[in-house]
Amino acid sequence: EVHLVESGGGLVQPGGSLRLSCAASGFTFSYYWMSWARQAPGKGLECVANIKYDGSEKYYVDSVKGRFTISRDNAKNSLYLQMNSLRADDTAVYYCARAESRSTDYWGQGTLLTVSS
Amino acid sequence: DIVMTQSPLSLPVTLGQPASISCRSSQSLVFSDGNTYLNWFQQRPGQSPRRLIYKVSNRDSGVPDRFTGSGSGTDFTLKINRVEAEDVGVYYCMQGTQWPWTFGQGTKVEIK
Repeated sequence: EVHLVESGGGLVQPGGSLRLSCAASGFTFSYYWMSWARQAPGKGLECVANIKYDGSEKYYVDSVKGRFTISRDNAKNSLYLQMNSLRADDTAVYYCARAESRSTDYWGQGTLLTVSS
Repeated sequence: DIVMTQSPLSLPVTLGQPASISCRSSQSLVFSDGNTYLNWFQQRPGQSPRRLIYKVSNRDSGVPDRFTGSGSGTDFTLKINRVEAEDVGVYYCMQGTQWPWTFGQGTKVEIK
């Protein structure tokens, strides 16, 4: 069974940094693209970043380019999102998702990031 | 970016009755490989999104057959044959044809 568990969320001041992690199990992690998506409180969904199965290609939505970095460690079956220069509008639940055929077929339970002073 | 527009945004339905959600994209979702990467997700209250439909009309494993996806090009529809209580939640369409992948605003399905 595919299992994705995010961690690392919390309260951060504007301008601060945080790294989210996602532990994957139940599938061959190194075979799949992976994604980070987010959902602001009471709002809709947004795909934030994608990474190829070997880490050689990365894609970001414009609003996080230059501030967020997606990465992975296939030996540890783990996905990461390094977030710098955080702003209030980055406040959201962040989901890790497995990407497959230009879609996301499994999602984790999410971790909440709150950016506030 | 491709803009996804759903309607209605709120859908009160009677148990056992059908429901239909429309999703339109600002440009064709046909990819260069001939596939159309249009997906539907369900998000129940307090839960993570769950994919129901991929590539317009393919149901994910475990999804009841009362959920049907259809459409082509820029116009797509999710139909629920007979709404059950467990179908309450927000439904999103999402396109994967062009990065950034984008979602519709969501349609909130509730029981009358």
